[in-house]
This record gives sequence, structure tokens and C-alpha cells, in this order.
Amino acid sequence: AQKVTQAQTEISVVEKEDVTLDCVYETRDTTYYLFWYKQPPSGELVFLIRRNSFDEQNEISGRYSWNFQKSTSSFNFTITASQVVDSAVYFCALSEATAAGNKLTFGGGTRVLVKP
Amino acid sequence: AAGVIQSPRHLIKEKRETATLKCYPIPRHDTVYWYQQGPGQDPQFLISFYEKMQSDKGSIPDRFSAQQFSDYHSELNMSSLELGDSALYFCASSLDRASSGANVLTFGAGSRLTVL
Repeated sequence: AQKVTQAQTEISVVEKEDVTLDCVYETRDTTYYLFWYKQPPSGELVFLIRRNSFDEQNEISGRYSWNFQKSTSSFNFTITASQVVDSAVYFCALSEATAAGNKLTFGGGTRVLVKP
Repeated sequence: AAGVIQSPRHLIKEKRETATLKCYPIPRHDTVYWYQQGPGQDPQFLISFYEKMQSDKGSIPDRFSAQQFSDYHSELNMSSLELGDSALYFCASSLDRASSGANVLTFGAGSRLTVL
């Protein structure tokens, strides 16, 4: 069975600081997919990024960057120069390549509070 | 672009009553998922449908049932409501179930159920 752990329950930073969210996952599959979703105070879940287990290339997209390390089963996410609008709960999620489809297993979420 | 539409957005029921939530997936998406998110919790997978057939089942209580109709919309029926059923219920949709695990789930804004 798969499991996703986000050890940080809440992070508080001042605007313009960088913030890194940790995510550690467990799976017995060799093919799997990792995601980050953002849940702002309004409540909806917004897709941020997807990575497959064969693509360890790290990526930067604007102020967001991701660090995928298969050796440590980690998929960390960094917001550079944080802004107040980044305040939200961030969920890391795992999807295994099963015949049943794309069911996501979420971590417990990390609440990010960016203060002006 | 069209998104996943959920209704109602808010619902208040008494214990032991019945509630029905509706979900309209993104046009041409063939898979629908239901998730339950309790207060301060991560979303938990309930059930999914592919081409109107149940494709996977998670921690869905026996009091709950769901189906996907010919127009691909889905309904989640909850009976004998309990206080613990108070939660945010998300519907998500994706395209091409054959790409197991890879596809991005697009979530609706959620339906908040309060059981008094």
C-alpha cells in the first residue's frame, strides 16, 4: 500500500522568504506518479505539478521548484520569494500505475502562512 | 476552459437524513472520482467510475452509494447521515483511464456538507 508523509504541519514565513515543503512517499511499485496540489482558503484543490518515477530531473517554474530524489523517496517543493497569495495548504500526492486508474493518495498537507 | 462543476456548494442536513451531491466532469473526461475531506484532514478517496462503471473503491461507508450516468455526470448519495459525515466532498475528473496513474485529476470546488 502506498503512503505519503508530509512531516511539516504548518510553516510561517515573512513575505519574500523562501519556503520548502517536504514530502516522503512509500510505494512498492516501480512506476508511479507524484503530484503537488494547492488548496487556498477558498477550498478548491489546484494542480501544481506531476512527476513520474522515471523522471528525476528537477524543475523550476517561475517561483516554484521541485526536487525529486528517488533514492530517498522524497519529492520536495520550494516557493521562492514567497507572497501573501501563496498562503494555502499544500498537498503532496502519489498515484500508482494500477489498472484501476488514477486514484490519488494524499499526504496530510502542510499549511503555509505568508505574512506581509 | 470548462471545469468540474459540483452542486450544491453548501448543504446542511440533520442526522439520519439523506443527501445527494452532483458532479459534472470536464467535457470528454471519462473518469470521475469522489473524495471526502474532513476538517483539517487530507482528502480521502471514496470511489471512482470509468465509462459509467465503478472502477475503484476506497473507504466509502455502506451508507453511501454513487453512480455515473449516461451523460457522464455522477451523483453521490449519502443516507442515514451522521455527524462525522460533515466534510468537504470533492469530485474530480480525468481523461483516458488507460494511462494508469499518469493523468492529472482536475478537482471541482467541492460541496461542503454540514450534519447537525
